[in-house]
Amino acid sequence: GNSVTQMEGPVTLSEEAFLTINCTYTATGYPSLFWYVQYPGEGLQLLLKATKADDKGSNKGFEATYRKETTSFHLEKGSVQVSDSAVYFCALINQAGTALIFGKGTTLSVSS
Amino acid sequence: EAQVTQNPRYLITVTGKKLTVTCSQNMNHEYMSWYRQDPGLGLRQIYYSMNVEVTDKGDVPEGYKVSRKEKRNFPLILESPSPNQTSLYFCASSFRGRSYDQYFGPGTRLLVL
Repeated sequence: GNSVTQMEGPVTLSEEAFLTINCTYTATGYPSLFWYVQYPGEGLQLLLKATKADDKGSNKGFEATYRKETTSFHLEKGSVQVSDSAVYFCALINQAGTALIFGKGTTLSVSS
Repeated sequence: EAQVTQNPRYLITVTGKKLTVTCSQNMNHEYMSWYRQDPGLGLRQIYYSMNVEVTDKGDVPEGYKVSRKEKRNFPLILESPSPNQTSLYFCASSFRGRSYDQYFGPGTRLLVL
């Protein structure tokens, strides 16, 4: 079946540090992959996505590349800010297009 | 403004008292879905709807009902809430298809005593 595994954290970084949050998946075929972000007290917002192998999604300085060889979609940012503190979810969409399958989320805390 | 709205945002209730959480979207999306978020478990799908009058179970449908009488609305009904339904609930919507972005509501935090 479909599943997503991501590092659970918490991840604690200083401002301007480099961020990597690992995400690997198991799925039938080649699903679209997503990163969602949840700021404290808010709903989920789509951060970036990739719809096919070798695609790179990017937004707000965050990047992730769809790697089918390693079934991975790691999230990276070169220089984090305090405002990036949030919970980050890796997800894939099932083959029928009826459900997002989420990882358990990674809490990021950035201090100044 | 394109958005998904949920009401109420916070709710405390008692076991067995029927409740409804409303969800509405203004983007003309065919697809709508309900998820629950629990610590250590992430988000899990409860029910989804591919269009008006078309609904189906997700991974954790027990104890919930839904209806889709209009395209914009997708209410979640708990006929007899129990404490294990204490959770954070999110409604989502999108156009149909595997590549379309899903838009999430702000969440409803439910406590069942």
